[in-house]
Amino acid sequence: NFLLTQPPSVSESPGKTVTISCTRSSGSITTNYVQWYRQRPGSAPHTVIFDDNKRPSGVPDRFSGSIDSSSNSASLTISGLKTEDEADYYCQSYETSTVVFGGGTKLTVL
Amino acid sequence: EGQLVESGGGLVQPGRSLRLSCTASRLTFDDHAIHWVRQPPGKGLEWVSGITWNSAAVDYADSVKGRFIVSRDNSKNSLYLQMNSLRADDTAIYYCTNLEEFWGQGTLVTVSS
Repeated sequence: NFLLTQPPSVSESPGKTVTISCTRSSGSITTNYVQWYRQRPGSAPHTVIFDDNKRPSGVPDRFSGSIDSSSNSASLTISGLKTEDEADYYCQSYETSTVVFGGGTKLTVL
Repeated sequence: EGQLVESGGGLVQPGRSLRLSCTASRLTFDDHAIHWVRQPPGKGLEWVSGITWNSAAVDYADSVKGRFIVSRDNSKNSLYLQMNSLRADDTAIYYCTNLEEFWGQGTLVTVSS
């Protein structure tokens, strides 16, 4: 099984851009799609990116996803940060028929 | 917009069983593989189990294999998780999700004597 490693926390100011990384420990990051979820305190997770870089309806284009094969990682970029973006963010991918989650990144907007 | 709603959580003693349900509305349920994902108090997300749209394939995390059984009834737009031999470390909020777009609000399972 592979691991998905995320930084425990990131912080940035309102209006700025932040990028959260998700590094796959073994096997290629391009083998399986990557999803990203936002979870606000006390709430259920909410999908912000699926299939590496697609946004579900209702998710603003301030959210974007990308894959970098050279670093074997996926990234979630949030531009024009708002205080409401403050939350935990999780990446997720697949290994054959099982599902792997990253440990989560706490985004602070201050 | 499509919706998933979990039910069946509660307080249960170690070693006992519990059955969770997840009911879909306003989405074509049998278009989707559906998964159970749990979150222990104060911790991250953990995948529990998944089932394909037609129940042809199911899989489980090692931590629940042999104790939990996932099933679905597409005629009822419903997913189930039969949880047996429950342990304290099964305590968590359990979510159903298709991982791409839809998540339920979760149901809390507490395993304690």
